[in-house]
Amino acid sequence: SAVISQKPSRDICQRGTSLTIQCQVDSQVTMMFWYRQQPGQSLTLIATANQGSEATYESGFVIDKFPISRPNLTFSTLTVSNMSPEDSSIYLCSVVLWGYEQYFGPGTRLTVT
Amino acid sequence: KQEVTQIPAALSVPEGENLVLNCSFTDSAIYNLQWFRQDPGKGLTSLLLIQSSQREQTSGRLNASLDKSSGRSTLYIAASQPGDSATYLCAADSGSARQLTFGSGTQLTVLP
Repeated sequence: SAVISQKPSRDICQRGTSLTIQCQVDSQVTMMFWYRQQPGQSLTLIATANQGSEATYESGFVIDKFPISRPNLTFSTLTVSNMSPEDSSIYLCSVVLWGYEQYFGPGTRLTVT
Repeated sequence: KQEVTQIPAALSVPEGENLVLNCSFTDSAIYNLQWFRQDPGKGLTSLLLIQSSQREQTSGRLNASLDKSSGRSTLYIAASQPGDSATYLCAADSGSARQLTFGSGTQLTVLP
């Protein structure tokens, strides 16, 4: 498995501001994903962030709201822009190793007031 | 579009019981089915991955099965322990892009 870290682990932000979440992996991976878990809900895919290509967003998520960077094979960032209370969620990054199995970071718990 | 359902939503059992968690999916053309565990406020821990060509996978007290034709997977936990208390999520990988569709989870409580 891989060691995946996320920063920050949690944050409380005011509406209208932006937060950038970092995801660091201890090995080089091509496939990386960002998911959102709203309170009491399951996980929903935000976007695929494969190195060497533009991020691909799922229906309901747009680049202006959730810009993603993937500068190298071990690192990615997700920004939550112009936040509202509805953005309060746990945001998780994940990676695929050796073709199939997917591993998740510990998550970033975001509260927007 | 793939949809994944988990039943029951919550389950409470006494310690030592064997139990089965159910997962169903609508599109049988899956690549893999992966089971995760999530502790409160934490990320996901991968438990088992079943590839489409496999029928089951085992790890310790856990056994997961996959029946693509019926669109079902089950996670069997033997001799449950209080430390098994968590939310269990199944997720279907339906394409080469490796994107997962998650069920809503089963919240398991094992009573000492």
